[in-house]
This record gives sequence, structure tokens and C-alpha cells, in this order.
Amino acid sequence: GQQVMQIPQYQHVQEGEDFTTYCNSSTTLSNIQWYKQRPGGHPVFLIQLVKSGEVKKQKRLTFQFGEAKKNSSLHITATQTTDVGTYFCAQETSGSRLTFGEGTQLTVNP
Amino acid sequence: EAGVAQSPRYKIIEKRQSVAFWCNPISGHATLYWYQQILGQGPKLLIQFQNNGVVDDSQLPKDRFSAERLKGVDSTLKIQPAKLEDSAVYLCASAVGEKLFFGSGTQLSVL
Repeated sequence: GQQVMQIPQYQHVQEGEDFTTYCNSSTTLSNIQWYKQRPGGHPVFLIQLVKSGEVKKQKRLTFQFGEAKKNSSLHITATQTTDVGTYFCAQETSGSRLTFGEGTQLTVNP
Repeated sequence: EAGVAQSPRYKIIEKRQSVAFWCNPISGHATLYWYQQILGQGPKLLIQFQNNGVVDDSQLPKDRFSAERLKGVDSTLKIQPAKLEDSAVYLCASAVGEKLFFGSGTQLSVL
């Protein structure tokens, strides 16, 4: 079935470095959502992108939706230890089912 | 605003036993989801309710899993009998629009 592929699976950075995770689909997406899950926690909604080429910012986080609506990215500028966690993209499939990618696990070394 | 409540927080059972999880969604949220999250993986949808009706249960292993949402509010998810591969976190979420709010989950260990 439809599935979004996320890369990389893991990312280790030094505090202050930038971080990017990518989400790719073989089919055109109606929209895409991003969630963050802290270690031992539950997924928390970050943002939804709907429009082709859309770019949204939340402080140090920048979210992009590709022009063809087949890919998306999340970029964190100057990571902090509070950014540690797993970042998931999620796509809406048939019947408004929300299907999650496998996530990118980010660790930040202080 | 109160969040999605789930209980129990942890459960340890032996294989072939039964287990039930409970979820109370955010007040007013008509849509309720149960997800299974195996360690190191993304959440996988088991079942989706709209009020007390099932919208999508195509990925629910119906030979052993069942779920209900009586009166369109609380929901229970049951596994009977449990298998070793059912060890996972079971997440309940409710939604308004497309935004999902997750509970803290029930961590199930099947020994």
C-alpha cells in the first residue's frame, strides 16, 4: 500500500549543528503532517502542509512540501538538546487514514 | 484542556492470555484511533472510529483483536489471545480535523 519513506533512519549531531529529515512518496500526497516523539513519550503534532511548494517555519524548524507534493522535509537550525526525539511524517491515505513513516531518530550531543 | 487518557500505563502478560486497554478521548472529538507502535517503528493504525461507528479496521487482526466505542466516547481495545509479537505500545488518539492528539499509550509486554 501507500507508504512514505523517511531518511535517514538515524542522525547524530553535535549541539549547534543543523539537521534535516526527508519524507518521500511515490504518489502525490494530498497533505502531509509532521510529528515529534520524545524518548518514552507519545507523538505530538507539529504541523500540516497542504499546498504545493509550501514552506512553514516554527522558530528553528522549517517545513517544506515539494512542488510535486511527493516529498517533504523538516530542517532544524542550530539543534539543541531539547530537539532530541524521533520525527515522523504522516500522510493521509484512503478513508482519511493517517499512515506514519518509520521516523528519523535524532540524538544531539551537548 | 484535558488530553487523551489511557490506562493502564503498563501491562505484562503471558502469551495466550487476554488483555484490554481503555481510552477516553478529548471531549468533543468525534474521531478516535488505535495505533500499535512496535519499538523502533512508526505507529501503525489498527482501527479508526467516527463517533461509535468503525471507519477503517482493515489493518486490525480480527482473529484476536477487537475494539468498541460505546456511546461514541470511551473506547476499549482487546487482545485475546495475546502473542509474543503483540508486544508494543498501544496508542489511542482523538482528532478534530486532521490534527491527532495522542494519549501516553499502554506499553504491553507479552512473555
